Amino acid sequence: EVQLLESGGGLVQPGGSLRLSCAASGFTFTSYAMTWVRQAPGKGLEWVSTISGSGGSTYYADSVKGRFTISRDNSKNTLYLQMNSLRAEDTAVYYCGRSVRYTSSSVGYFDYWGQGTLVTVSS
Amino acid sequence: EIVLTQSPGTLSLSPGERATLFCRASQSVSSSYLAWYQQKPGQAPRLLIYGASSRATGIPDRFSGSGSGTDFTLTISRLEPEDFAVYYCQQYGSSPPSTTFGQGTRLEIK
Repeated sequence: EVQLLESGGGLVQPGGSLRLSCAASGFTFTSYAMTWVRQAPGKGLEWVSTISGSGGSTYYADSVKGRFTISRDNSKNTLYLQMNSLRAEDTAVYYCGRSVRYTSSSVGYFDYWGQGTLVTVSS
Repeated sequence: EIVLTQSPGTLSLSPGERATLFCRASQSVSSSYLAWYQQKPGQAPRLLIYGASSRATGIPDRFSGSGSGTDFTLTISRLEPEDFAVYYCQQYGSSPPSTTFGQGTRLEIK
């Protein structure tokens, strides 16, 4: 059974940093790209970032480029999102998802999602 | 960036009725790379449809997707009580690699 479990969310001040983790199980982790998607309170879904199975390719939304870094540790079956220079508008539930891609240079759709972790940026 | 516009914003129907949800793209979606998700309050989204018309694993056949180019439709043939939720479309055919979601359609019990 595929499982994705996020952790690391919490309250952080504007300008601060936070690192999210997503522990994966039930599938061959290196065979899949992985993605972070966020959802602000009461709002819709927003793609944040995707990383290839090897970790060699990364893609970012313009809204987080230069501030967030996606990475993965394939020996630990874990996905990460390092978030720096956080802003109030980054407040959201952050979901990790397994990406199913049609080419090696695409983001794909997301067939499994974690339960999400809440990040609140506030003073 | 491809912008997806979903309509209606809210759809009020009764169990047993047919639901039709629309997703229009600002430019053609490559190779029908369009997905639909269902999200219930406090839960993560669930994949329903990918490739515009292929049902995901375990999705009942009352859910169907259609369309191509810029216009796509999600149809729920006969609503069950558990189908009342928010539905999102997503296009994943962008180059350079990125993806966008529609703003969602809320399906509520009439």
